[in-house]
Amino acid sequence: ETGVTQSPTHLIKTRGQQVTLRCSSQSGHNTVSWYQQALGQGPQFIFQYYREEENGRGNFPPRFSGLQFPNYSSELNVNALELDDSALYLCASSSPSGQATDTQYFGPGTRLTVL
Amino acid sequence: GDSVTQMEGPVTLSEEAFLTINCTYTATGYPSLFWYVQYPGEGLQLLLKATKADDKGSNKGFEATYRKETTSFHLEKGSVQVSDSAVYFCALPSGGYNKLIFGAGTRLAVHP
Repeated sequence: ETGVTQSPTHLIKTRGQQVTLRCSSQSGHNTVSWYQQALGQGPQFIFQYYREEENGRGNFPPRFSGLQFPNYSSELNVNALELDDSALYLCASSSPSGQATDTQYFGPGTRLTVL
Repeated sequence: GDSVTQMEGPVTLSEEAFLTINCTYTATGYPSLFWYVQYPGEGLQLLLKATKADDKGSNKGFEATYRKETTSFHLEKGSVQVSDSAVYFCALPSGGYNKLIFGAGTRLAVHP
């Protein structure tokens, strides 16, 4: 069984640029969630995609957007990068069963540095 | 709103010492509770979970019991190893779509 994978591993951008991060969900999982983890802090929820639709969103501005594809892989796009966007971006997949007990499995993350 | 509070770190222990990392939560209802671990330079790994009150989650010698009365989910291990050095996060799902809310994390350093 293949786990959650993310690409790229590391990325360096400058302020104002745009970035796309990618995530492949674990086999059999149809839900993908994205989190931002600033240095020394816990992850913060950005949004979630379920069957190609945004299913929930955290307190992030609209310049954070996403997509989910028919194979359940996902992209996170960030426009007009700011210095504070420097963080580890984590993708997690899960398979909702209708119960509030679904476990999320995380990928290794993409480290984004904005200069 | 829902929240998770963890004891502040870092926690520094000698090998084979007993570990406790405190976690308390505020939540509507009785959500599942999780402990995740993050090793240096890596993503999060699920360490253990409990899905209802009085459940005990366990994995790799770590244990945590879901205490509804004290709204706590403290992580324990009887004898830590150097390889347990990592950051530990307590978390709970919130909202209809089960977004995870994390504590700030507790860094554990185990010395030989």
